[in-house]
Amino acid sequence: AQSVTQPDIHITVSEGASLELRCNYSYGATPYLFWYVQSPGQGLQLLLKYFSGDTLVQGIKGFEAEFKRSQSSFNLRKPSVHWSDAAEYFCAVGAGGSARQLTFGSGTQLTVLP
Amino acid sequence: DAGVIQSPRHEVTEMGQEVTLRCKPISGHNSLFWYRQTMMRGLELLIYFNNNVPIDDSGMPEDRFSAKMPNASFSTLKIQPSEPRDSAVYFCASTPGFYNSPLHFGNGTRLTVT
Repeated sequence: AQSVTQPDIHITVSEGASLELRCNYSYGATPYLFWYVQSPGQGLQLLLKYFSGDTLVQGIKGFEAEFKRSQSSFNLRKPSVHWSDAAEYFCAVGAGGSARQLTFGSGTQLTVLP
Repeated sequence: DAGVIQSPRHEVTEMGQEVTLRCKPISGHNSLFWYRQTMMRGLELLIYFNNNVPIDDSGMPEDRFSAKMPNASFSTLKIQPSEPRDSAVYFCASTPGFYNSPLHFGNGTRLTVT
């Protein structure tokens, strides 16, 4: 069975600073990896996904993530954080080649200081 | 595209009462998922449907929980009788079901059982 670990429960950064959110996964085959963002009172919105090919994936809102098989990681990055990026971020791994069997990490809460 | 629509947004009920949560998936999506989100357990998949048929209900916590999808545009999640430990945010999500298609989430129903 697959699993996802997000080691950082809460991260605080200043507006304009760079951001990296960590995600480690465990899965026996090629993983299907996702990052979702959840704003207060909202559902989860897909930021980006990785299935195959280029290991650096671009997403919406200026986010990117890099798949590193050797480290079993799929870290999310943004070069310059905006106040509107404050939210909770979830990494997820899918099995079976679809989103139907997603396992979510526990989430990282991002606070952005002015 | 109206997105996944859930109702009600908030539900407060007393222990022992029946609760029904509703979901309208995105038109054309043939897979529907019910998730539960709590602080303690994070996001848990309860059940998912494909073409209105329940495929995997192994995440349904107890017999008090039941879900139906009578047609392609409507699903319900029912809890009877409800208990305080059922308090959580319940999300519905849908996907077109194509390989590599991500989940689209609704805004959730926040359930409080007193």
